[in-house]
Amino acid sequence: SQQGEEDPQALSIQEGENATMNCSYKTSINNLQWYRQNSGRGLVHLILIRSNEREKHSGRLRVTLDTSKKSSSLLITASRAADTASYFCANSGGSNYKLTFGKGTLLTVNP
Amino acid sequence: SQTIHQWPATLVQPVGSPLSLECTVEGTSNPNLYWYRQAAGRGLQLLFYSVGIGQISSEVPQNLSASRPQDRQFILSSKKLLLSDSGFYLCACTGGEEETQYFGPGTRLLVL
Repeated sequence: SQQGEEDPQALSIQEGENATMNCSYKTSINNLQWYRQNSGRGLVHLILIRSNEREKHSGRLRVTLDTSKKSSSLLITASRAADTASYFCANSGGSNYKLTFGKGTLLTVNP
Repeated sequence: SQTIHQWPATLVQPVGSPLSLECTVEGTSNPNLYWYRQAAGRGLQLLFYSVGIGQISSEVPQNLSASRPQDRQFILSSKKLLLSDSGFYLCACTGGEEETQYFGPGTRLLVL
């Protein structure tokens, strides 16, 4: 199975702090993506990093990818209460752009 | 940009009743379409995907079926619901950068 695992399962921090979430996967990938889900809502795509990239930035988000360790991390800097959500990694390695999602990290940012 | 509509938002159905969940897409043509199920506190499980009208691939054996009667319409169905079919069902499509997926708001299904 390609299913990834996020770590930690839950993370609680204070506003202004940085939040780091990790993701591991099992097979070779074309790219790895991070999504955000607010409670009871659909997922929103945050960032995509390709297998030949090591680091990518988007605003307050920084994603790293280590294909030798089959792992990725998502860093959210200067967190805000509005960042409270579940964060999922998803890897794409098969055909038809299918994604395999991890179980997610629930991030709580306390004001 | 793509917009995905799903309805209903919430559904409570008795065991053994039929199911039809609809997903429609705006803002793109010939997208790949996906149905996922999310159990409480869990990740997403891919149920079906479609690369074109009438083309359905099933990822896991189950009590559900899917159909794509039009380019931007994707339907999830069941003839007889089971308790284990309860969950949060999400429809998604590929977009401009085809490796990313855009999600609808989801349908929460409770089978009693």
